[in-house]
Amino acid sequence: RKEVEQDPGPFNVPEGATVAFNCTYSNSASQSFFWYRQDCRKEPKLLMSVYSSGNEDGRFTAQLNRASQYISLLIRDSKLSDSATYLCAVNSPDNFNKFYFGSGTKLNVKP
Amino acid sequence: DAGVTQSPTHLIKTRGQQVTLRCSPKSGHDTVSWYQQALGQGPQFIFQYYEEEERQRGNFPDRFSGHQFPNYSSELNVNALLLGDSALYLCASSFSTEQFFGPGTRLTVL
Repeated sequence: RKEVEQDPGPFNVPEGATVAFNCTYSNSASQSFFWYRQDCRKEPKLLMSVYSSGNEDGRFTAQLNRASQYISLLIRDSKLSDSATYLCAVNSPDNFNKFYFGSGTKLNVKP
Repeated sequence: DAGVTQSPTHLIKTRGQQVTLRCSPKSGHDTVSWYQQALGQGPQFIFQYYEEEERQRGNFPDRFSGHQFPNYSSELNVNALLLGDSALYLCASSFSTEQFFGPGTRLTVL
């Protein structure tokens, strides 16, 4: 079983829509969780951390569900510029700086 | 404040050759991690350097080696290149848990 799994998509949504992605992780002892955004042929850019209490940054909301071992990312009022691949990252319990990444979920926001 | 920098941006090598990739971390960051990202996949952890020592290693063969210098910059060396080593190689620097990636080196092995 992979350490981190994501639905590859693509998610095709119209501008203004609300879209949500989930990411499941296998090790219940993981402590740090992040969402990254990656544009085509570019490096991943840190989007937001995921805290136990949830985290909101403008149109973006990240949540952690420890019982079911998944994290989620909600994007409200989608913009064309939100089109990208969204990667989740989960740390290894034996090294808080070692991360496992999912393969990413591709989002296409259409006019 | 410069972010993470990597060089070169692109590299073409042939099978069996050796390659060295370089990374300078973000100012104030002391930990450097290297990842390999194949097309359509997420980054895969290669290893991590802290205080000039390899602190953690992923499932990569010994052909992959690295080094960290006193100024925290780092090198990734790959020997006996295989076609399957073609990928985007990413360096990430950190001080705590948040990792910031450099632009990557795109390696093509022919």
